[in-house]
Amino acid sequence: KAGVTQTPRYLIKTRGQQVTLSCSPISGHRSVSWYQQTPGQGLQFLFEYFSETQRNKGNFPGRFSGRQFSNSRSEMNVSTLELGDSALYLCASSSNGNTDTQYFGPGTRLTVL
Amino acid sequence: AQSVSQHNHHVILSEAASLELGCNYSYGGTVNLFWYVQYPGQHLQLLLKYFSGDPLVKGIKGFEAEFIKSKFSFNLRKPSVQWSDTAEYFCAVKARTGYSTLTFGKGTMLLVSP
Repeated sequence: KAGVTQTPRYLIKTRGQQVTLSCSPISGHRSVSWYQQTPGQGLQFLFEYFSETQRNKGNFPGRFSGRQFSNSRSEMNVSTLELGDSALYLCASSSNGNTDTQYFGPGTRLTVL
Repeated sequence: AQSVSQHNHHVILSEAASLELGCNYSYGGTVNLFWYVQYPGQHLQLLLKYFSGDPLVKGIKGFEAEFIKSKFSFNLRKPSVQWSDTAEYFCAVKARTGYSTLTFGKGTMLLVSP
């Protein structure tokens, strides 16, 4: 089985712009979670989608949003980018998102200038 | 909400030394526990997990972890580390009630010198 894929792998944006990141889960997985990884804060949960519905949301401002499509692929969007949004954004998929294991993609490295 | 504490931010060992990385969590109910590893330039990979049963779990590459419920701990061990074990290690916990989230510790950077 192919693993979790994320596109693009690297992105450079300037303050005030918006960005969309994409994640394709492992085939058959219906849950997709997003995390932000920074050296200072570590891995922080952004949100989780299951069957096109947001099931959980972390403590991030409304500028961070996401969605999931019927094929379980997911996108996250960050609007009005700030310097502090520079981070590695990780996507993880699992079959049901509740009691099973999450498998992570390689991440998208976002740099905001 | 659950939280995870990893005792050491940085650990430096020589090859063949034994490793123990501490992890404690706070949550009053039943949890699933995980150790993930992130090798330099690579993505986060599952090292091992505990859901139920034998509290001593074995993972890939000779790693093992022991769940001690009374201490809310899930420490990672390896009898003899190799240079290739240089990586960042993350402990994570997920409550087994409702739709809980996976909560990570801050991570421990392990550097193994040859």
